[in-house]
Amino acid sequence: DAKTTQPPSMDCAEGRAANLPCNHSTISGNEYVYWYRQIHSQGPQYIIHGLKNNETNEMASLIITEDRKSSTLILPHATLRDTAVYYCIVIPTGKLIFGQGTTLQVKP
Amino acid sequence: DGGITQSPKYLFRKEGQNVTLSCEQNLNHDAMYWYRQDPGQGLRLIYYSQIVNDFQKGDIAEGYSVSREKKESFPLTVTSAQKNPTAFYLCASSGQGLGAYGYTFGSGTRLTVV
Repeated sequence: DAKTTQPPSMDCAEGRAANLPCNHSTISGNEYVYWYRQIHSQGPQYIIHGLKNNETNEMASLIITEDRKSSTLILPHATLRDTAVYYCIVIPTGKLIFGQGTTLQVKP
Repeated sequence: DGGITQSPKYLFRKEGQNVTLSCEQNLNHDAMYWYRQDPGQGLRLIYYSQIVNDFQKGDIAEGYSVSREKKESFPLTVTSAQKNPTAFYLCASSGQGLGAYGYTFGSGTRLTVV
């Protein structure tokens, strides 16, 4: 299974874009990149996923590099409620493996 | 609404007692998972099941047992052999497909052993 690397923590000013990076240099052709977030003491919440192309939904945008070795999750206008741990996960078939994630602190 | 229900939300048990955590889903998902989370840590996989009557050990299966007699249900038993059972337990489910489906999580059960 491909491994992901994320910075342990990041700060972002409220109303600004939050850009969360993720490295997945060993990703293989059939593996998707998924992003989840976990607000304290709750179950992880799905944000977005992609295979090759950039993706956008009502919550965020996902930018995947052409070689697929890294990606960036973009929260376009961060709010205080976006403060959470963000997990970047590479998923083949089978089990879902979480790393340590990035703790995003949105500050007023 | 479809989703995953974990019960109870909080559970207290005496040391040495077995305890079973419930996980029920009405999403018609084939695969189900149990994770453990300790304070300030990420999620670690305990057991997973991709089909009824079949399940596999995850990274930290020792001291735990599961069953998958029905598609909708995947209960986790924390046995007395688990040396440090106090933790936050999360259940998840997913549909079939090559990463094409997301994973849905329950709201978790916080187990405290005293």
